[in-house]
Amino acid sequence: EVQLVESGGGLVQPGGSLRLSCAASGFTFSDHYMDWVRQAPGKGLEWVGRTRNKAYSYTTEYAASVKGRFTISRDDSENSLYLQMNSLKTEDTATYYCARVYGINWSDAYFDSWGQGTLVTVSS
Amino acid sequence: DIQMTQSPSSLSASVGDRVTITCRASQGIRNNLAWFQQKPGKAPKSLIYAASSLQSGVPSKFSGSGSGTDFTLTISSLQPEDFATYYCQQYNSYPLTFGGGTIVEIK
Repeated sequence: EVQLVESGGGLVQPGGSLRLSCAASGFTFSDHYMDWVRQAPGKGLEWVGRTRNKAYSYTTEYAASVKGRFTISRDDSENSLYLQMNSLKTEDTATYYCARVYGINWSDAYFDSWGQGTLVTVSS
Repeated sequence: DIQMTQSPSSLSASVGDRVTITCRASQGIRNNLAWFQQKPGKAPKSLIYAASSLQSGVPSKFSGSGSGTDFTLTISSLQPEDFATYYCQQYNSYPLTFGGGTIVEIK
């Protein structure tokens, strides 16, 4: 059974940093692209970014709203995904979900599993 | 960026009703569209991919259709566990984008 478990959320001041983790199990983590998606309180879903797998050199993609401030990385030996968040703003307050991408071609690069989420609150 | 517009933003329906939600993309996305269900305080659940293919374990009362710019999600006979918020999402190009969501409430 695919399991994704996020951790690392909490309260941080504006301008601060936080690192989220997503522990994966139940599948061959190294084969898959992995994404982060966030949801501000009472709002809709917003894609944050993606890391590709080793075969694609772990390259990344980001939403414009986080590019240059957030960094997605992974450790395939630990079956873990990370989101390093720097220069945090109040508008980054959200629940952050990791999601598994099924395939690597556009036609099958859809989300098929989600973690339970971790809440990040940016406030002074 | 591709804008995804869902309608309606909310609807009230009764148990047993047939419900249809529409999602429109601002440009063609072939059939690279997914649907998700989210209940309050819970993570999204993947329902449909490739516009019309059911994820494993999703009941057949859910169906999707469309291609290009216009898509629909249909729930054939609404049950109490189906009251939730539904989102569409395009995965045809970066940045990936979601619709604003449709809240399905009990009438």
